[in-house]
Amino acid sequence: DQQVKQNSPSLSVQEGRISILNCDYTNSMFDYFLWYKKYPAEGPTFLISISSIKDKNEDGRFTVFLNKSAKHLSLHIVPSQPGDSAVYFCAALDNTDKLIFGTGTRLQVFP
Amino acid sequence: GAVVSQHPSWVICKSGTSVKIECRSLDFQATTMFWYRQFPKQSLMLMATSNEGSKATYEQGVEKDKFLINHASLTLSTLTVTSAHPEDSSFYICSARAKKMDYGYTFGSGTRLTVV
Repeated sequence: DQQVKQNSPSLSVQEGRISILNCDYTNSMFDYFLWYKKYPAEGPTFLISISSIKDKNEDGRFTVFLNKSAKHLSLHIVPSQPGDSAVYFCAALDNTDKLIFGTGTRLQVFP
Repeated sequence: GAVVSQHPSWVICKSGTSVKIECRSLDFQATTMFWYRQFPKQSLMLMATSNEGSKATYEQGVEKDKFLINHASLTLSTLTVTSAHPEDSSFYICSARAKKMDYGYTFGSGTRLTVV
């Protein structure tokens, strides 16, 4: 039972354009969401997070949007850079403070 | 910033042997550490949660006698894969959370285990 889903396994974007990564969740009790970036054979690194009391959080080139009614969040990267190429995981905190990860989206930014 | 060191980064072992993976918080005290497992092209699946000085809490379907977790101090947790089999080959990642960090989960660099 996948409570956090990333339906696009991969995304290819041209350098300079916007990358939009999507994430859906099923548990309405989740109230904190995080995005992580992961390179092969490395641990995830934290990118940005959002609390359920907000609908948007921005940090430099990264913006996360949350639509609670739709149980949907998205990560926008603009402008996209080749160094952004990695696997991106969204995660939700459950009521026991455990991180529930999505299945990941592989982003490739090409010149 | 918070740093979590995980060793070894990769290990190859023979079937039937045991392997220990260490996870250390270098510049903060971690009351809680988490162990994840990732199969190729899949999500990170939480295996267990370890709290310093107490027994680990295992997720459903994870054999606690096979995956021994010890969290003896506020800076060190270990995962021992006992009697390893080829199906245990995976990428194992630890995560630590500091006492006073608000939702601050820091991940180790992971350990690639290959059982031959």
